[in-house]
Parts: sequence; structure tokens; C-alpha cells
Amino acid sequence: GQNIDQPTEMTATEGAIVQINCTYQTSGFNGLFWYQQHAGEAPTFLSYNVLDGLEEKGRFSSFLSRSKGYSYLLLKELQMKDSASYLCAVRDSNYQLIWGAGTKLIIKP
Amino acid sequence: GAVVSQHPSRVICKSGTSVKIECRSLDFQATTMFWYRQFPKKSLMLMATSNEGSKATYEQGVEKDKFLINHASLTLSTLTVTSAHPEDSSFYICSARDVLAGETDTQYFGPGTRLTVL
Repeated sequence: GQNIDQPTEMTATEGAIVQINCTYQTSGFNGLFWYQQHAGEAPTFLSYNVLDGLEEKGRFSSFLSRSKGYSYLLLKELQMKDSASYLCAVRDSNYQLIWGAGTKLIIKP
Repeated sequence: GAVVSQHPSRVICKSGTSVKIECRSLDFQATTMFWYRQFPKKSLMLMATSNEGSKATYEQGVEKDKFLINHASLTLSTLTVTSAHPEDSSFYICSARDVLAGETDTQYFGPGTRLTVL
């Protein structure tokens, strides 16, 4: 079956760095997405990886290793507004998005 | 970035009534739109894929007669929850795929509709 695993919850301190991991087992691979979702709101797009390596976008970076079925989202200089759920999603061979359950990130002062 | 609107943002209805939710892509054309449902503290659950000018493709376990989807134009898809029951209360989110996005093929999400059935 298809499976996306990410930690349920993480806690970090304002100003620090946090890495949210995502491992996947899917039928085929056509890209991996990270979305941010604040409570009660719809997800917003953060990043897209289809090739191995690191994609940097401001304070957020996303890494992909296709051979390991692994990705991480790195958030630097954490701000209180970064408190949200972070969803990992993989596009499979049928171009369907398979969603992880999300990681709730709690930022403490 | 691309903008997707959804209306209404919140709706409360009585059991047995029908509710229509609209999803519009405001500044791009979307041949494909997706409807998701999200329960509290859970991830997104894809309900159906809506293609402009054709019938929607429903995921296993989703009743097509209960959740009517119409995608009449490149910028509008509607979801109608018919004969709503309290168990249909949920957060419904639509997303639209930008036809010009190329390989990235990003889905842009509407703000969601909170449905409460009394």
C-alpha cells in the first residue's frame, strides 16, 4: 500500500531551527510537496521537490532523497507565526497526491 | 500566486437540506479541481476529482449521489451536499490545478468551507 509517515507533533523554540521529516512508500514518484496549514484554514503551498537535493526558499528549505524515500522540511529562524501543521504529500505514478497526516509544530517563546 | 476562492466560508443548515459550495479560480484556468474533506486533527481526504466538461471521478467510499459535483467552466466547480446529516459536518476544501503550471503542477487551495449540520 501507499504510505506517508511524518511525526505527529514537534516543539521548537522561537529563533531556533527545526527539521520535519517525511518518509514515503508510494507506487511511483512524480514529486513531493510540502504544505503549511494553520488551524481552521486551508493548506498553502510551501515547496516542491522532484530531483534529489535541497531547495531553499527564504527561511524554509526542503530536501529530497528519492533512493531513500525521504524528505525533510527545514525551518530556520523560527517565528511564532510558524506554529502550524506541515503536510507532506507525494504525487504517485497516477499523478494522484498521497497525503501524510501532518506534523503539528508548536513554537515556544 | 494563484488565487482560489470558496463560498460560503461557513454554513449552518438543518438536517435534510442541501448545501452548495462554490470553488472559483480567480486568476487562472483550472481544467481540474479537487474536493477534499478534513476532519478535526486529521489530514486531507480526497473526495473527488472534478474535470471541466466531464463527470467527476469519486474516491472509493464517497457517495456520488450525496456529494454532487459540477465543473461547468474552467474557473468554477461546485459541490452540493444533498440531504445533509450531522455526520456530514466537516471542513470542505477545494483546490485547483493551474493548467499552465507545467511540471510543478501545484494545487492551489481555496480557504475552505466549514459546514455544520444541525
